[in-house]
Amino acid sequence: GENVEQHPSTLSVQEGDSAVIKCTYSDSASNYFPWYKQELGKRPQLIIDIRSNVGEKKDQRIAVTLNKTAKHFSLHITETQPEDSAVYFCAALLGNQFYFGTGTSLTVIP
Amino acid sequence: NAGVTQTPKFQVLKTGQSMTLQCAQDMNHNSMYWYRQDPGMGLRLIYYSASEGTTDKGEVPNGYNVSRLNKREFSLRLESAAPSQTSVYFCASRRDRGQDGYTFGSGTRLTVV
Repeated sequence: GENVEQHPSTLSVQEGDSAVIKCTYSDSASNYFPWYKQELGKRPQLIIDIRSNVGEKKDQRIAVTLNKTAKHFSLHITETQPEDSAVYFCAALLGNQFYFGTGTSLTVIP
Repeated sequence: NAGVTQTPKFQVLKTGQSMTLQCAQDMNHNSMYWYRQDPGMGLRLIYYSASEGTTDKGEVPNGYNVSRLNKREFSLRLESAAPSQTSVYFCASRRDRGQDGYTFGSGTRLTVV
């Protein structure tokens, strides 16, 4: 199967600063990489995704980059706001199954 | 569209009791999944069903059984609950054509005492 590692496990930033979360995967056959945001007591929600034929994707303050050669992908949040505080999970799709990272708890300090 | 509906939201069981977690989706998705979420361990796959009539084990299937009743419904059964099964359980589904992410249910918080 696939092995997805995610770093850091916790991250604190000042409001307005940027946050970066990094994931690596092991199987080069993985071809789709979504990111989920999970607020306390809520379900994970898809916030952005990237396919293996794309190097970067941006949606307002959120961007994801993918380096297939190095087998890593990253989530970038700019101009962070308190409502960005949550746990973020990366995932990789291999076959019909997603493999998740262990999550990053992001705290945005007002 | 309700999306993915999961019941119950909360449950407390005594060790050895059994229960079934229900999941239904109204998006005509082919694939359905059961995950458990524990602190510091992310989401771990218990079982999944790639299509109606098929089920496969995930990373942590021991102590669980599943039934894909029809295309809409995928249930998870604990035959003899153990304290190690205390967790938050999420059902998810996806279209399974092309590359799409999951739609998750709202979760079931299960405590086994």
